[in-house]
Amino acid sequence: GAGVSQSPSNKVTEKGKDVELRCDPISGHTALYWYRQRLGQGLEFLIYFQGNSAPDKSGLPSDRFSAERTGESVSTLTIQRTQQEDSAVYLCASSFSLVLSYEQYFGPGTRLTVT
Amino acid sequence: DAKTTQPNSMESNEEEPVHLPCNHSTISGTDYIHWYRQLPSQGPEYVIHGLTSNVNNRMASLAIAEDRKSSTLILHRATLRDAAVYYCILSSGGSNYKLTFGKGTLLTVNP
Repeated sequence: GAGVSQSPSNKVTEKGKDVELRCDPISGHTALYWYRQRLGQGLEFLIYFQGNSAPDKSGLPSDRFSAERTGESVSTLTIQRTQQEDSAVYLCASSFSLVLSYEQYFGPGTRLTVT
Repeated sequence: DAKTTQPNSMESNEEEPVHLPCNHSTISGTDYIHWYRQLPSQGPEYVIHGLTSNVNNRMASLAIAEDRKSSTLILHRATLRDAAVYYCILSSGGSNYKLTFGKGTLLTVNP
């Protein structure tokens, strides 16, 4: 079946602009996660959704970052007034349920470059 | 959060077993041990996880020390497709979803 998809695959934006990143989870997966991976670093957890509710936003770096999810479907991560330190690969993952969160399926990521 | 320590890199030859170590001396009783791997230019891929007992699946085996302060991911016969960064991660029972990845071990497989 189809895996997790993300769009765009690459995004170059100017400092100060807003960007919106999209994630389509695996159909039927109720839990969805966003991570960030800076160059040469491990992953940082940003936020997770159970359905369209986000019980844990503790990883969002600042109030410039926000995320939404429509039902148990698409999610968007929005970064307002982008800064150069926002440059990273943004990864989305989904799992069948929160109980099965140990097995997360990752998308290919969106590479964001802020110039 | 409990931390893990892994070697920066390891090398193996094709068709030989690989033992990837991970130290987690500050692990708590409710922490699960997860292993993911990340192939070049791809998102991470789940490999295996465990709590106390050794675990086997189609991809690998996970050997957990009796005191749980260390674990080893075992690839029984390395292939060139196993070349990746391998991450050992701990998560507490209440927040298994929050996978905090370190720098992992870069595994090189020689033909």
